[in-house]
Amino acid sequence: NAGVTQTPKFQVLKTGQSMTLQCAQDMNHEYMSWYRQDPGMGLRLIHYSVGAGITDQGEVPNGYNVSRSTTEDFPLRLLSAAPSQTSVYFCATERRRASGRVSTNEQFFGPGTRLTVL
Amino acid sequence: GQNIDQPTEMTATEGAIVQINCTYQTSGFNGLFWYQQHAGEAPTFLSYNVLDGLEEKGRFSSFLSRSKGYSYLLLKELQMKDSASYLCAVRAFLSGGYNKLIFGAGTRLAVHP
Repeated sequence: NAGVTQTPKFQVLKTGQSMTLQCAQDMNHEYMSWYRQDPGMGLRLIHYSVGAGITDQGEVPNGYNVSRSTTEDFPLRLLSAAPSQTSVYFCATERRRASGRVSTNEQFFGPGTRLTVL
Repeated sequence: GQNIDQPTEMTATEGAIVQINCTYQTSGFNGLFWYQQHAGEAPTFLSYNVLDGLEEKGRFSSFLSRSKGYSYLLLKELQMKDSASYLCAVRAFLSGGYNKLIFGAGTRLAVHP
């Protein structure tokens, strides 16, 4: 049971290049999301998906595309990389479990991809 | 608008108790999370509060007051390994019935011998 995996761990791009950050999970979680984390700022939601075939934009979607053809995979595409996209990218999945009357929606994060755009 | 505030940095002594505060303003509140994040690693789940009051889990406790838009994370019997960033995150309803997490910038805690 690998949990949430992300590839690559590190990547350096030149301005204008495109690439895909991979995210895969083996926990059969319906909800998946992509965040970026920058110094001094909280994790910011880029895109999310509530199930296969369904995606939507988060707070900072510009410059990124996603697709969700299977439950397991949720790739993030940078269309034309810019230095402002230098960041650490985390993929997260969510399960839902009930404890009495309160449901806990715990998110599980992948190890992250550290991207530098020159 | 939606806003989450928490102190940028805190220091504490091994064996002591530290309280990390978080205040928030959000519409559609649906729960508050605390995550721990060691440098260079992914965040890991610590606690979840959706009702007012204190939730205790071992050395960690989390408190929520929805009327005040306030939460705190209490760490007891501090250990050196507790040196990390602690992220406060609020879950809010989105239109269409979905939720999203809004994160604060995190509090860097340094534990000294």
